[in-house]
Amino acid sequence: NAGVTQTPKFRVLKTGQSMTLLCAQDMNHEYMYWYRQDPGMGLRLIHYSVGEGTTAKGEVPDGYNVSRLKKQNFLLGLESAAPSQTSVYFCATQPYGTANSPLHFGNGTRLTVT
Amino acid sequence: AQKVTQAQTEISVVEKEDVTLDCVYETRDTTYYLFWYKQPPSGELVFLIRRNSFDEQNEISGRYSWNFQKSTSSFNFTITASQVVDSAVYFCALSAISGAGSYQLTFGKGTKLSVIP
Repeated sequence: NAGVTQTPKFRVLKTGQSMTLLCAQDMNHEYMYWYRQDPGMGLRLIHYSVGEGTTAKGEVPDGYNVSRLKKQNFLLGLESAAPSQTSVYFCATQPYGTANSPLHFGNGTRLTVT
Repeated sequence: AQKVTQAQTEISVVEKEDVTLDCVYETRDTTYYLFWYKQPPSGELVFLIRRNSFDEQNEISGRYSWNFQKSTSSFNFTITASQVVDSAVYFCALSAISGAGSYQLTFGKGTKLSVIP
């Protein structure tokens, strides 16, 4: 049982390049999230999805796009990477969007933009 | 607006010492949930505990214990007889239900614990 799998684990991009981060879950969870983690900033929500075909903006959505074409996958795209997007990105899932439900996290993707 | 403050950015202790990680929260909601997550050096985030706003009973799990006090809006985490494997970044989080039926999840900035052998 893989849980939440993020690919790739590491990536280095040059400014202006594009890329897509993939989050795949095998737990049949409805809700999926993308967070970024920066030193001294904790975890900040980028985008989230409450179900297949839906997406919504979080706290820091600028510069990112997302898609949830299939329930088990949540993609995070950077169309034109900037050094400010250097971060560790985490995908997380929940069975449903209830306040008492803990998040299940992937192992993260470390992205460096030069 | 809600807020979670983990005032301790980094803590170092010698193995076998006890250590307490502080978490102070702010919310206007009467129904809310508090969480602790652990992020070891390998990077993944692991859920440790959840506590709801109506249950102030402290909880103990092995060497871990949690002290929830609504009067001081705190949800502190104590590790007894710390071990090197406890070295990690620990995040406190608050989830409060809004009037619209949705909820907002807020993380603290984390406390990095280093246990020195």
